[in-house]
Amino acid sequence: DAMVIQNPRYQVTQFGKPVTLSCSQTLNHNVMYWYQQKSSQAPKLLFHYYDKDFNNEADTPDNFQSRRPNTSFCFLDIRSPGLGDAAMYLCATSRVGRLDSPLHFGNGTRLTVT
Amino acid sequence: GNSVTQMEGPVTLSEEAFLTINCTYTATGYPSLFWYVQYPGEGLQLLLKATKADDKGSNKGFEATYRKETTSFHLEKGSVQVSDSAVYFCALSSTMDTGRRALTFGSGTRLQVQP
Repeated sequence: DAMVIQNPRYQVTQFGKPVTLSCSQTLNHNVMYWYQQKSSQAPKLLFHYYDKDFNNEADTPDNFQSRRPNTSFCFLDIRSPGLGDAAMYLCATSRVGRLDSPLHFGNGTRLTVT
Repeated sequence: GNSVTQMEGPVTLSEEAFLTINCTYTATGYPSLFWYVQYPGEGLQLLLKATKADDKGSNKGFEATYRKETTSFHLEKGSVQVSDSAVYFCALSSTMDTGRRALTFGSGTRLQVQP
């Protein structure tokens, strides 16, 4: 089945130690998103790729970076994780340009910072 | 800017009760509207959508009607089951000034269904 896959499901890192979360998709969608979701809150968009065009949200900390080497893969890099970065990180994809096209989400990676 | 307001939870119901989760929105133009559901430990899944005024989205017994006059998209189900326990997010999709699409989520409503 076509889907969005996130690895790992659970990630533990130490304060200040860089960490990378990965996302892959078999939907061949042009757009890939990274969301941060803290407990009992709505997902917050960090950035998205429109093909290779990177779009950063204005309030996304510089600590967060992303890479998209090809259509299928997208990575979230947290350069120096703080305790406040502990959250669920959700990857999503969509078809380009259509307002009625839903987002397809992966199951997320839950990041713990110790 | 765009915004979505949902009723606060948790909503606790007994099995077979009627469900309503209110959602209102503020947006320019003609957004598309969605309900997503998030089961424990999982990502969000699309539940239903509506793309223009008076459209009714439906799936798995859930329904929501796009009401432009009241800027609402309330979620309803006639008879809930324990398996419907989850967090429900209302969302709207619109075009930003840049021409790019933006998806705005409500804060989510937790539904707990008791046997």
